[in-house]
Amino acid sequence: GAGVSQSPSNKVTEKGKDVELRCDPISGHTALYWYRQRLGQGLEFLIYFQGNSAPDKSGLPSDRFSAERTGESVSTLTIQRTQQEDSAVYLCASRAGVNYGYTFGSGTRLTVV
Amino acid sequence: GENVEQHPSTLSVQEGDSAVIKCTYSDSASNYFPWYKQELGKGPQLIIDIRSNVGEKKDQRIAVTLNKTAKHFSLHITETQPEDSAVYFCAARGGEDSSYKLIFGSGTRLLVRP
Repeated sequence: GAGVSQSPSNKVTEKGKDVELRCDPISGHTALYWYRQRLGQGLEFLIYFQGNSAPDKSGLPSDRFSAERTGESVSTLTIQRTQQEDSAVYLCASRAGVNYGYTFGSGTRLTVV
Repeated sequence: GENVEQHPSTLSVQEGDSAVIKCTYSDSASNYFPWYKQELGKGPQLIIDIRSNVGEKKDQRIAVTLNKTAKHFSLHITETQPEDSAVYFCAARGGEDSSYKLIFGSGTRLLVRP
Protein backbone atom coordinates (compact mmCIF):
# COMPACT_ATOMS: atom_id res chain seq x y z
CA GLY A 1 0.00 0.00 0.00
CA ALA A 2 0.89 3.65 -0.15
CA GLY A 3 1.34 4.12 3.59
CA VAL A 4 1.87 2.30 6.86
CA SER A 5 -1.28 0.46 7.82
CA GLN A 6 -2.19 -0.40 11.41
CA SER A 7 -5.02 -2.49 12.74
CA PRO A 8 -7.24 -2.35 14.60
CA SER A 9 -7.62 1.42 14.75
CA ASN A 10 -9.29 1.15 18.15
CA LYS A 11 -9.24 -1.61 20.72
CA VAL A 12 -11.02 -1.76 24.06
CA THR A 13 -10.02 -4.66 26.28
CA GLU A 14 -10.56 -5.78 29.81
CA LYS A 15 -7.73 -5.64 32.29
CA GLY A 16 -5.83 -8.91 32.30
CA LYS A 17 -6.59 -9.85 28.70
CA ASP A 18 -3.97 -10.19 25.98
CA VAL A 19 -4.04 -7.98 22.88
CA GLU A 20 -2.30 -8.15 19.53
CA LEU A 21 -1.67 -5.09 17.38
CA ARG A 22 -0.69 -5.28 13.74
CA CYS A 23 1.48 -3.12 11.50
CA ASP A 24 1.85 -3.38 7.72
CA PRO A 25 4.87 -1.30 6.70
CA ILE A 26 5.40 0.29 3.32
CA SER A 27 6.56 -2.36 0.88
CA GLY A 28 10.34 -2.41 0.63
CA HIS A 29 10.94 -0.57 3.88
CA THR A 30 13.58 -2.50 5.77
CA ALA A 31 13.30 -0.77 9.14
CA LEU A 32 10.24 -0.84 11.39
CA TYR A 33 9.68 0.86 14.73
CA TRP A 34 6.97 0.68 17.38
CA TYR A 35 6.26 3.69 19.59
CA ARG A 36 3.80 4.34 22.39
CA GLN A 37 2.05 7.68 22.86
CA ARG A 38 0.20 8.29 26.10
CA LEU A 39 -2.52 10.95 26.12
CA GLY A 40 -1.05 14.40 25.64
CA GLN A 41 2.51 13.17 25.64
CA GLY A 42 5.36 12.52 23.24
CA LEU A 43 6.30 9.27 21.58
CA GLU A 44 8.20 6.62 23.51
CA PHE A 45 10.37 4.16 21.60
CA LEU A 46 9.45 0.51 22.17
CA ILE A 47 11.22 -1.73 19.64
CA TYR A 48 13.13 -1.62 16.33
CA PHE A 49 13.42 -4.21 13.56
CA GLN A 50 15.96 -4.03 10.73
CA GLY A 51 15.76 -6.77 8.14
CA ASN A 52 16.77 -10.11 9.63
CA SER A 53 18.95 -8.61 12.36
CA ALA A 54 18.19 -9.12 16.04
CA PRO A 55 15.64 -6.48 17.11
CA ASP A 56 16.44 -3.67 19.53
CA LYS A 57 14.01 -4.33 22.38
CA SER A 58 15.50 -1.77 24.74
CA GLY A 59 12.32 0.32 24.92
CA LEU A 60 9.88 -2.42 25.91
CA PRO A 61 8.54 -1.41 29.35
CA SER A 62 8.05 -4.90 30.76
CA ASP A 63 8.15 -8.58 29.84
CA ARG A 64 4.41 -8.38 29.16
CA PHE A 65 5.32 -6.66 25.90
CA SER A 66 6.71 -8.52 22.91
CA ALA A 67 6.86 -8.01 19.17
CA GLU A 68 7.62 -10.06 16.11
CA ARG A 69 8.43 -9.35 12.51
CA THR A 70 9.12 -11.87 9.79
CA GLY A 71 11.68 -10.53 7.33
CA GLU A 72 10.57 -7.17 5.99
CA SER A 73 6.86 -7.74 6.27
CA VAL A 74 4.11 -7.43 8.86
CA SER A 75 4.88 -6.87 12.52
CA THR A 76 2.73 -7.67 15.53
CA LEU A 77 3.01 -6.14 18.98
CA THR A 78 1.57 -8.30 21.76
CA ILE A 79 0.70 -7.08 25.24
CA GLN A 80 -0.08 -9.82 27.72
CA ARG A 81 -2.17 -9.40 30.87
CA THR A 82 -3.00 -5.81 29.99
CA GLN A 83 -3.03 -3.16 32.70
CA GLN A 84 -4.76 0.21 32.74
CA GLU A 85 -1.43 1.99 32.35
CA ASP A 86 -1.07 0.27 28.97
CA SER A 87 -3.84 2.52 27.63
CA ALA A 88 -2.25 4.61 24.90
CA VAL A 89 -1.93 5.00 21.15
CA TYR A 90 0.56 2.52 19.69
CA LEU A 91 2.24 3.85 16.57
CA CYS A 92 4.25 2.00 13.97
CA ALA A 93 6.73 3.62 11.58
CA SER A 94 8.84 2.31 8.73
CA ARG A 95 11.66 3.70 6.61
CA ALA A 96 13.49 2.58 3.50
CA GLY A 97 17.06 3.27 4.57
CA VAL A 98 19.22 5.33 6.87
CA ASN A 99 18.95 8.44 4.73
CA TYR A 100 15.19 8.27 4.38
CA GLY A 101 12.45 9.72 6.54
CA TYR A 102 10.18 7.75 8.83
CA THR A 103 6.55 7.23 7.81
CA PHE A 104 4.07 6.66 10.62
CA GLY A 105 0.79 4.83 10.58
CA SER A 106 -2.35 6.27 12.17
CA GLY A 107 -1.90 4.12 15.24
CA THR A 108 -4.00 1.79 17.36
CA ARG A 109 -5.79 3.42 20.27
CA LEU A 110 -5.79 0.88 23.11
CA THR A 111 -8.09 1.35 26.07
CA VAL A 112 -7.85 -1.04 29.00
CA VAL A 113 -10.92 -0.99 31.23
CA GLY B 1 21.03 8.09 25.98
CA GLU B 2 19.54 10.96 24.01
CA ASN B 3 17.14 13.38 25.68
CA VAL B 4 15.11 15.97 23.78
CA GLU B 5 13.37 18.91 25.43
CA GLN B 6 10.79 21.01 23.62
CA HIS B 7 9.32 24.42 24.40
CA PRO B 8 6.74 25.82 24.65
CA SER B 9 4.18 23.14 25.42
CA THR B 10 1.38 25.35 24.08
CA LEU B 11 1.50 28.29 21.68
CA SER B 12 -1.35 30.53 20.56
CA VAL B 13 -0.82 32.98 17.71
CA GLN B 14 -2.97 35.20 15.56
CA GLU B 15 -3.44 34.15 11.97
CA GLY B 16 -0.68 35.66 9.86
CA ASP B 17 1.81 35.88 12.71
CA SER B 18 4.91 33.71 13.03
CA ALA B 19 5.34 30.76 15.37
CA VAL B 20 8.62 29.46 16.75
CA ILE B 21 9.14 26.17 18.57
CA LYS B 22 12.48 25.31 20.15
CA CYS B 23 14.16 22.02 21.02
CA THR B 24 17.40 21.04 22.69
CA TYR B 25 19.13 17.68 22.57
CA SER B 26 21.79 16.10 24.72
CA ASP B 27 23.71 13.63 22.51
CA SER B 28 26.30 15.32 20.32
CA ALA B 29 26.32 12.20 18.10
CA SER B 30 22.76 12.91 16.92
CA ASN B 31 22.82 13.83 13.26
CA TYR B 32 19.26 13.99 11.97
CA PHE B 33 16.48 16.26 13.25
CA PRO B 34 12.95 15.91 11.84
CA TRP B 35 9.81 17.81 12.75
CA TYR B 36 6.41 16.16 12.76
CA LYS B 37 2.88 17.56 12.70
CA GLN B 38 0.18 15.51 14.35
CA GLU B 39 -3.49 16.24 13.86
CA LEU B 40 -6.18 14.80 16.08
CA GLY B 41 -6.61 11.06 15.60
CA LYS B 42 -3.79 10.77 13.10
CA GLY B 43 -0.22 9.62 13.13
CA PRO B 44 2.65 12.13 13.01
CA GLN B 45 3.49 13.46 9.56
CA LEU B 46 6.95 14.64 8.61
CA ILE B 47 6.92 18.31 7.65
CA ILE B 48 10.61 19.16 7.46
CA ASP B 49 13.95 17.73 8.53
CA ILE B 50 17.55 18.83 8.78
CA ARG B 51 20.85 16.97 8.93
CA SER B 52 23.79 17.93 11.06
CA ASN B 53 25.89 19.20 8.14
CA VAL B 54 23.35 21.96 7.41
CA GLY B 55 22.52 25.04 9.50
CA GLU B 56 19.19 26.00 7.99
CA LYS B 57 16.56 24.59 5.68
CA LYS B 58 13.44 26.22 4.29
CA ASP B 59 10.32 24.91 2.59
CA GLN B 60 7.78 27.61 1.73
CA ARG B 61 6.41 28.91 5.05
CA ILE B 62 8.37 26.46 7.18
CA ALA B 63 12.02 26.69 8.16
CA VAL B 64 14.27 24.83 10.56
CA THR B 65 17.55 26.05 12.03
CA LEU B 66 20.20 23.96 13.75
CA ASN B 67 22.95 25.07 16.11
CA LYS B 68 25.19 22.04 16.64
CA THR B 69 27.46 23.79 19.11
CA ALA B 70 24.60 24.73 21.40
CA LYS B 71 22.71 21.51 20.57
CA HIS B 72 19.45 23.20 19.77
CA PHE B 73 17.19 23.43 16.76
CA SER B 74 14.06 25.40 16.04
CA LEU B 75 10.98 25.31 13.82
CA HIS B 76 9.75 28.57 12.32
CA ILE B 77 6.34 28.89 10.71
CA THR B 78 5.60 32.19 9.00
CA GLU B 79 2.23 33.60 7.91
CA THR B 80 0.41 31.07 10.05
CA GLN B 81 -2.98 29.78 8.94
CA PRO B 82 -5.76 28.08 10.94
CA GLU B 83 -4.89 24.76 9.27
CA ASP B 84 -1.46 24.96 10.91
CA SER B 85 -3.20 24.27 14.23
CA ALA B 86 -1.92 20.89 15.46
CA VAL B 87 0.62 19.32 17.79
CA TYR B 88 4.21 19.60 16.60
CA PHE B 89 6.99 17.26 17.69
CA CYS B 90 10.71 17.62 17.25
CA ALA B 91 12.98 14.59 17.28
CA ALA B 92 16.66 13.73 17.24
CA ARG B 93 18.27 10.63 15.85
CA GLY B 94 21.58 9.07 16.66
CA GLY B 95 23.65 6.61 14.70
CA GLU B 96 23.79 2.88 14.22
CA ASP B 97 24.63 2.22 17.86
CA SER B 98 21.29 3.71 18.85
CA SER B 99 19.38 1.78 16.16
CA TYR B 100 18.78 5.05 14.33
CA LYS B 101 15.76 5.51 16.55
CA LEU B 102 14.04 8.87 16.87
CA ILE B 103 13.86 10.38 20.34
CA PHE B 104 10.94 12.80 20.51
CA GLY B 105 10.27 15.97 22.40
CA SER B 106 7.08 16.24 24.43
CA GLY B 107 5.22 18.23 21.78
CA THR B 108 3.88 21.75 21.26
CA ARG B 109 0.19 22.38 20.79
CA LEU B 110 -0.11 25.23 18.29
CA LEU B 111 -3.37 27.14 18.02
CA VAL B 112 -3.75 29.66 15.21
CA ARG B 113 -6.61 32.04 15.95
CA PRO B 114 -8.52 33.26 12.88
